[in-house]
Amino acid sequence: NAGVTQTPKFQVLKTGQSMTLQCAQDMNHNSMYWYRQDPGMGLRLIYYSASEGTTDKGEVPNGYNVSRLNKREFSLRLESAAPSQTSVYFCASSEWGEYQETQYFGPGTRLLVL
Amino acid sequence: QKEVEQDPGPLSVPEGAIVSLNCTYSNSAFQYFMWYRQYSRKGPELLMYTYSSGNKEDGRFTAQVDKSSKYISLFIRDSQPSDSATYLCAMRTGNTPLVFGKGTRLSVIA
Repeated sequence: NAGVTQTPKFQVLKTGQSMTLQCAQDMNHNSMYWYRQDPGMGLRLIYYSASEGTTDKGEVPNGYNVSRLNKREFSLRLESAAPSQTSVYFCASSEWGEYQETQYFGPGTRLLVL
Repeated sequence: QKEVEQDPGPLSVPEGAIVSLNCTYSNSAFQYFMWYRQYSRKGPELLMYTYSSGNKEDGRFTAQVDKSSKYISLFIRDSQPSDSATYLCAMRTGNTPLVFGKGTRLSVIA
């Protein structure tokens, strides 16, 4: 049981290049999320998918697109990378208990845009 | 004003101290309150959760929610160097995604 996995772990891009961050979970969770974490800014939600086949914008969606490929996989695409997108990106998946939602996070992808 | 405010610290305490971490919020519709712990270069992990107002205790950790003051706290008793991490509060209404605070970086010095 690997939990939430993310690839790649680290990436360097030049301004204008595109790339896709991959995320997969093996916990059979319905909901999946993409966050970015910047110093002094905390975790900010980019996009989320409440269930397979649905996606919704979060707090900072501009410059990103997502695909919920199936129940396991949720990818994040940067079409034309900008230096402002330099950040650590976390994918998460969640399950609902009686009164709570537990989000399980991946190890993160460190992205540097030059 | 952001929905959730959290003092980023850093906070440095000696081993064995009692630590108090706090968040304030503005949205009175928040019902679910959580604390996540994040070690350096790792993803966050759920530490504590509380539904609505009240206290919850788990070992050395106590979470408190005061909905009348829109204020939540996490207390760590007998703090250990292994507690050194960033602590993020998080909260949500019934059907919206989690909103996170910015996190407080804690260092416990042996």
